[in-house]
Amino acid sequence: DVQLEQSRVEVKKSGEPLKISCKASGYSFSTYWIGWVRQMPGKGLEWMGTIYPGDSDTRYSPSFRGQVTISADKSIRNVYLQWNSLKASDTAVYYCVRLIYDYIWGSHWYFDFWGQGTQVTVSS
Amino acid sequence: QSALTQPPSASGFPGQSVTISCTGTSRDVGGYDYVSWYQQYPGKAPKLVIFEVIKRPSGVPDRFSGSKSGNTAYLTVSGLQSEDEADYYCNSYAGSINGVFGTGTKVTVL
Repeated sequence: DVQLEQSRVEVKKSGEPLKISCKASGYSFSTYWIGWVRQMPGKGLEWMGTIYPGDSDTRYSPSFRGQVTISADKSIRNVYLQWNSLKASDTAVYYCVRLIYDYIWGSHWYFDFWGQGTQVTVSS
Repeated sequence: QSALTQPPSASGFPGQSVTISCTGTSRDVGGYDYVSWYQQYPGKAPKLVIFEVIKRPSGVPDRFSGSKSGNTAYLTVSGLQSEDEADYYCNSYAGSINGVFGTGTKVTVL
């Protein structure tokens, strides 16, 4: 079965760095894009960006470019979302998702599996 | 890039139908047949209910259906049941390996 396993809770202070992880299992890790979605408290879903673990091709939503870094480690089937210096406004739940997208044909675009989410709380 | 526009709320009695709209532009919803819909219960991760405008993943009841006209996509839930009460979000491909979510709609079963 496809599973995306995330750490559940992170509590940090403003200015601190953070790297959260998403561990994938149950499918060929290198051949599917993995993305990240933010949900701020009481708000809607926001697309942050995605990575193709096979070659680490990474694409960011314009809203998040320069604010976060997405990376992957094929050897342990992990994808990461990283901040160099957290702000209180980064407080949110962050979901990793498996993205169905065919880069060759530019076809398909949907998220068929979701992690359970990582609650990131940043105090000022 | 702006979020797709959804009505904040929609409601219906059990057994009735409710339709949610998702309005974008020719650069997203209108430009691709890659609109998907997600159901989210409070405190839970979203779940895919419709992909590529009209397709339903296995296990999703056929009460859920999707359509699109121009720059607006629609999710219809027929034969409303109490368990359909949730938040619903659309998402569309927007080119350059980038996507955009809708603002979300809270569906209430009266």
